[in-house]
Amino acid sequence: AQSVTQPDIHITVSEGASLELRCNYSYGATPYLFWYVQSPGQGLQLLLKYFSGDTLVQGIKGFEAEFKRSQSSFNLRKPSVHWSDAAEYFCAVGANNAGNMLTFGGGTRLMVKP
Amino acid sequence: EAQVTQNPRYLITVTGKKLTVTCSQNMNHEYMSWYRQDPGLGLRQIYYSMNVEVTDKGDVPEGYKVSRKEKRNFPLILESPSPNQTSLYFCASSFADPNEQFFGPGTRLTVL
Repeated sequence: AQSVTQPDIHITVSEGASLELRCNYSYGATPYLFWYVQSPGQGLQLLLKYFSGDTLVQGIKGFEAEFKRSQSSFNLRKPSVHWSDAAEYFCAVGANNAGNMLTFGGGTRLMVKP
Repeated sequence: EAQVTQNPRYLITVTGKKLTVTCSQNMNHEYMSWYRQDPGLGLRQIYYSMNVEVTDKGDVPEGYKVSRKEKRNFPLILESPSPNQTSLYFCASSFADPNEQFFGPGTRLTVL
């Protein structure tokens, strides 16, 4: 069975600083990987996804993520954080032919200091 | 506008009183899913549907039912709600697996 671990429950960064959110997955085959963001009181919005090909994936809002098979990781990065990035971030892994089921990590809540 | 809608957005009910949360999508997606979100646990899939009249259990199906009689609708039914079903529920839809899932705004359910 697949699983996702987000080791950091909370992260606080200063506005303008760089950001890296960690995600480790467990899956027996090539995974399909996603990062979603949830702003307070909102649903989930897709930031980026990895299915195959280039291991560095660009997403919306200036985010990127790098798939590292050897480390079973898919960390999310942003070079300069804005106050509006404060939200909860979820990493998810999907399996082909599994009813499109996504397995989510527990989430990382990002706070941004002025 | 392409979207997934859920109703109601907020619901407070009592133990044992049957309820239905509706979900509708206007994107002609084959796949639809229900998730519940609990603090520290992320989102966990309850049920999913790959097409009309095709449904299957996700990770946490106990206490829930679903139906898919039309492509656009995927209601979640709690026949006899219990307090441990107090949670935030999300409906999602997508084209063929695997693909980006589009999420509804969520339904916050409290069972007293």
